[in-house]
Order: sequence, then C-alpha cells, then structure tokens
Amino acid sequence: GIQVEQSPPDLILQEGANSTLRCNFSDSVNNLQWFHQNPWGQLINLFYIPSGTKQNGRLSATTVATERYSLLYISSSQTTDSGVYFCAGNNYGQNFVFGPGTRLSVLP
Amino acid sequence: DSGVTQTPKHLITATGQRVTLRCSPRSGDLSVYWYQQSLDQGLQFLIQYYNGEERAKGNILERFSAQQFPDLHSELNLSSLELGDSALYFCASSVGTSGNEQFFGPGTRLTVL
Repeated sequence: GIQVEQSPPDLILQEGANSTLRCNFSDSVNNLQWFHQNPWGQLINLFYIPSGTKQNGRLSATTVATERYSLLYISSSQTTDSGVYFCAGNNYGQNFVFGPGTRLSVLP
Repeated sequence: DSGVTQTPKHLITATGQRVTLRCSPRSGDLSVYWYQQSLDQGLQFLIQYYNGEERAKGNILERFSAQQFPDLHSELNLSSLELGDSALYFCASSVGTSGNEQFFGPGTRLTVL
C-alpha cells in the first residue's frame, strides 16, 4: 500500500511566524486531505487537495501530484494553530492512509 | 461541526468485555469508515461500508466487527477487549466509495482497564 511521510515531525514557533509542512507519498494518489487534530482530539478538515493550490484564510496548501508531495503553509501563526497536522490519501480502490503527523506548538 | 456524529464520547470498560460504538454519517453520505488512533500505531483504517455493504478492510482484528444499517448509521463492535484496544476510535463518512473527501466525527475514546 501507499506510504506517507511527513516533515518535520515537530515544530515550535513563536506566535506570528510562518511555517511550511510537507507530505510525501510513495505512489500517486487521487484523494489527498490535510487535517488538524486539536488538543481535544478533534480531527478538523483543512483541505481536500488532490492537485493544485487552495487557500483558506491564513492557511494554504499546494499539491504537486506528478511529484507526489503536498505542502501546507501556515502564515501568521496563532496559539490556536497548535496541535497535530496530518496528511492522508489514497488512490482508487486503495485504503486511506495517514501520515505520522507534524506536531506544532505555537508559543505566545 | 462535520455533520458526523458518534456516541458515546467516552467509554471505560474492563478487559474481556464487549462494547458497541455508534456512528451516524453526514446527510447524503453513503460511505462510512472506521479508524483507530492509538499512541503507538497512529491513525489506522479499520473498515469501510458503502450503502450497507462492506467495501474495504484494513487492519481490523478478528475480535472487531462492524455493520451498516439501512438508515446508513454504522456500529463497530469490539469484543474480548484487551488493554491494547484503548484508543480513540473515529468514524468518517463520504459521498462515494473512493476518492471523495472524508469528514470525521468527534471520536469515541475507549479506555480498557
């Protein structure tokens, strides 16, 4: 099955800083999502982005499907951005696979 | 709020017991997925149902079973519970079978003592 890598595993930022999180897939995917798991355990959909670029407020994401990676950009980070960021994906007929996550801590 | 509901939010039980977790998908979604999140294994896919039929299986133990009912809600049954089954169990739903965006419920936190 597909393998998913995420980097960095941990990230500590000062409030107001920008960051880039990366997700690499071992094979092509037709479904790719980014999630934020908040400190209460909730998994929140950020982007459904099998290809291209999307923006939502301070967050944006870009997927380069031909090179099997996706990037999540967080600008002007806030303490509420803290938590774990997961990417996950699959191809037709395959199971949805999550990466190990990037743990983000934003300090006030 | 994703529109996916799960009950109960928390469950504490003893080894050897059996529990049932319940999930209601978003209105209009036909697929339901179950995932387990444990500290050592991360988020892992367990099983998927589409319109009442089992569609895909992941790393689901034989002690675990699931079903999707005609009203599309789903139940995950965990039996002969072990300490290692303590985890957060998520349900997700999507419109179709594959390649569609999945929306996750709030999860059920299971503690086996």
